[in-house]
Amino acid sequence: DTGVSQDPRHKITKRGQNVTFRCDPISEHNRLYWYRQTLGQGPEFLTYFQNEAQLEKSRLLSDRFSAERPKGSFSTLEIQRTEQGDSAMYLCASSLVFAPDTQYFGPGTRLTVL
Amino acid sequence: QKEVEQNSGPLSVPEGAIASLNCTYSDRVSQSFFWYRQYSGKSPELIMSIYSNGDKEDGRFTAQLNKASQYVSLLIRDSQPSDSATYLCAVNPETGANNLFFGTGTRLTVIP
Repeated sequence: DTGVSQDPRHKITKRGQNVTFRCDPISEHNRLYWYRQTLGQGPEFLTYFQNEAQLEKSRLLSDRFSAERPKGSFSTLEIQRTEQGDSAMYLCASSLVFAPDTQYFGPGTRLTVL
Repeated sequence: QKEVEQNSGPLSVPEGAIASLNCTYSDRVSQSFFWYRQYSGKSPELIMSIYSNGDKEDGRFTAQLNKASQYVSLLIRDSQPSDSATYLCAVNPETGANNLFFGTGTRLTVIP
């Protein structure tokens, strides 16, 4: 399967713990996006990378959140000192640089903070 | 604030009927428009994109765009129970923008 993959698919953690999620984009896609989706809402943009450069961050991305894409391939999203309000589905998407708005989503990581 | 509005539904149609899903957007300069289908507990799946005014057909799906009215719709012909899902409208607010703005989605149920 050459689609976007994410790991883990589910994560349950206690408030205050740190969590890290991984996204592997479609192999030839140089743009990678992170979105967050809460129940009953559409996805909300968090940040995006072109190759290894993080080019845009939403104001939703507080300083407890950090994302990396060190070699321009997979990306990680870390949440430090998790809060119950961080409970959501974290979605990764990827696209080609010349078709940035045609984004393909991975299966998501569902985070539950107890 | 760039807003994308959808009726949350639920919208129920009988099998074989046409389902009509609507979306309005606030930013007049928005350039490209997308419909995603999302099954419960799954991630969004891109099903249609439209960039110019008018209709675009792909199989049983037709997307309609009216930029003057800031309105985009999705018609699903010969609706099937497998079409039951939440349909998300997404808008790229400007050329070169790197993120999509999504509506809250319309939940469609096709009744056998």
